[in-house]
Amino acid sequence: AQKVTQAQTEISVVEKEDVTLDCVYETRDTTYYLFWYKQPPSGELVFLIRRNSFDEQNEISGRYSWNFQKSTSSFNFTITASQVVDSAVYFCALSEASGGSYIPTFGRGTSLIVHP
Amino acid sequence: KAGVTQTPRYLIKTRGQQVTLSCSPISGHRSVSWYQQTPGQGLQFLFEYFSETQRNKGNFPGRFSGRQFSNSRSEMNVSTLELGDSALYLCASSLGQVLIGEETQYFGPGTRLLVL
Repeated sequence: AQKVTQAQTEISVVEKEDVTLDCVYETRDTTYYLFWYKQPPSGELVFLIRRNSFDEQNEISGRYSWNFQKSTSSFNFTITASQVVDSAVYFCALSEASGGSYIPTFGRGTSLIVHP
Repeated sequence: KAGVTQTPRYLIKTRGQQVTLSCSPISGHRSVSWYQQTPGQGLQFLFEYFSETQRNKGNFPGRFSGRQFSNSRSEMNVSTLELGDSALYLCASSLGQVLIGEETQYFGPGTRLLVL
């Protein structure tokens, strides 16, 4: 079973629309970390956010916001007023302890296409 | 401040050969992580080094190894290359360990390895 599920393979929106990327995770650990990364067409990954399992506060950074809900094991990412430069593949990841090590598991990614 | 650099950027090898990839982190960063990205398996974590010690290791065979030098530069080595090792190998640096929730990661452009 996948530990991190990004059910949306591809999302297409028009500029200025709001868009939410879903991430559902599975873990038995009480201590874990969740991440979001962006991979633009250039290929270079960009770290966006990390959230630990004890901090359920939502976070906002400019046009980006993240909604962490332990009750539904979800860590969703919303882009407000999308722009063409937001076009990229977005990955959600879960880092949980395994035999003393923290091993991140990535979702398959959601490709976001923002049309002008 | 210079970013994360990876050399070489592109590499072609044949099955059975070995390869060494290099990653120079941002000055002052002590943690280097390696990732493999393939169309089939997606993004996978290889290992994380901090202060010359391997702190976390992903689920890869022993053919994949790495090390970190006193100047924080890191190398990863793949021996006895297989066709399935063809991938984009990404390196990331951070001040402290990322997987236990300490720092922001900065990624390099990656090394694209093709095994024939």
